[in-house]
Amino acid sequence: EAQVTQNPRYLITVTGKKLTVTCSQNMNHEYMSWYRQDPGLGLRQIYYSMNVEVTDKGDVPEGYKVSRKEKRNFPLILESPSPNQTSLYFCASSFRGFSGANVLTFGAGSRLTVL
Amino acid sequence: GQQVMQIPQYQHVQEGEDFTTYCNSSTTLSNIQWYKQRPGGHPVFLIQLVKSGEVKKQKRLTFQFGEAKKNSSLHITATQTTDVGTYFCAGLNAGGTSYGKLTFGQGTILTVHP
Repeated sequence: EAQVTQNPRYLITVTGKKLTVTCSQNMNHEYMSWYRQDPGLGLRQIYYSMNVEVTDKGDVPEGYKVSRKEKRNFPLILESPSPNQTSLYFCASSFRGFSGANVLTFGAGSRLTVL
Repeated sequence: GQQVMQIPQYQHVQEGEDFTTYCNSSTTLSNIQWYKQRPGGHPVFLIQLVKSGEVKKQKRLTFQFGEAKKNSSLHITATQTTDVGTYFCAGLNAGGTSYGKLTFGQGTILTVHP
């Protein structure tokens, strides 16, 4: 089944404890992206990647890191999480980043709480 | 940078009433997409509009893309309880420094009372 898989789905952590949210897709998509969803703010893009070893900042990149060493994986790294990073996170991917065929397939989401 | 504004933020309707959500971009778009997120779920792609003035229908859902390619709407006729959820528009910028960047609106949360 074609899908985007995120782990963990739920996580409660404490301020300053490094964590990684993994994202993997099995559709051979070039484009991958991370979003955070907060009430009233919709989906805000954190980072995106056009292809292996190509990443770029989205609208709210502060406090986050990403890497794209393989086509299928795009982990989101929080080096020193803070309470304002408590949110629902979605990973998404698409076949071709731009010019039309960029319909996003989303993962199930990862709900992160930072105490 | 590019901004995509979506209104209303909330809409409560009685089952059988119509519903419309509107999306406006600060810049010209090359295309616009619509997604639906069921409560507790993840966004799922509904449709993509590419051409100026384009209108597409999916059963009770009608999607429009404005002539200037800066606004769009989603209209649901005779809502059903299965329509509940959050509807997002997402615009792909046509040019400038944000070329190729997909920006989401804030979403409209639809509740349907039986």
